[in-house]
Amino acid sequence: DAGVTQSPTHLIKTRGQQVTLRCSPISGHKSVSWYQQVLGQGPQFIFQYYEKEERGRGNFPDRFSARQFPNYSSELNVNALLLGDSALYLCASSLLAQGWYEQYFGPGTRLTVT
Amino acid sequence: GNSVTQMEGPVTLSEEAFLTINCTYTATGYPSLFWYVQYPGEGLQLLLKATKADDKGSNKGFEATYRKETTSFHLEKGSVQVSDSAVYFCALSDRIQAGTALIFGKGTTLSVSS
Repeated sequence: DAGVTQSPTHLIKTRGQQVTLRCSPISGHKSVSWYQQVLGQGPQFIFQYYEKEERGRGNFPDRFSARQFPNYSSELNVNALLLGDSALYLCASSLLAQGWYEQYFGPGTRLTVT
Repeated sequence: GNSVTQMEGPVTLSEEAFLTINCTYTATGYPSLFWYVQYPGEGLQLLLKATKADDKGSNKGFEATYRKETTSFHLEKGSVQVSDSAVYFCALSDRIQAGTALIFGKGTTLSVSS
C-alpha cells in the first residue's frame, strides 16, 4: 500500500507570496494533520482534520489555513509568506483522530522563502 | 501545557555499543507515547509506541517502557549499527480542541561509526 504522499517535494517562494501544499493520506485513513519542522527542531503541530472538519489548530497565525476534501486528501495554504516560514512541512495521516492511533508521516515539502 | 524533554545530542557511539536516549514528559492525564526516527532528507518514521503505563514498545531491536512514576519513556537498544544513525524524536499525544496533536521533543542525533 502507498504511504502518505506530499507534493511538491521542494519549492522556493518570495516573501509576500502565497503557497499551497498538498497531501494524500494512506488509503482508509480519515484524519490528516500538518506539522512544521524548522531546521534542527522537532515538528510543531499546525492543524488536524477529520472527516473534512477541523479538529485542532496549533499556535500559528491566521495566514495558515487548511482544508480536507471528500477523498480525505488535504491542502495547507500559507499567505503573505515570511522568511521564518522556511521549513519542512510534514503531513501525517491516521485512521481516526484519537490520540492512541499512530500518525504516519509523509516525506514532507521543503519550503524556502527568499 | 504538555511537553517533552529529550537528552541533548549528538550521541556518538561505536558499532555494537549500547544505546540509551532519555525522554521525560509533562502531561495531564495519560497520553500515548511514541518514538519516531528521521533519516537524513526524509520524513518521520514511527519506531515504537506505548499507550498506557508499564507498556513496553519494541521494534527493530529498540525498546522503550512507559514509566508513569518517573514520567519517562527512554529509548534503548542493546547493539547499535551504522544504519541506526539518524535523529530520534520522542513524542506524546495531546488532546487539543476536538482532536489530537503530537508534541515532540527537540530530537537527539545519533551517529554510529564502524
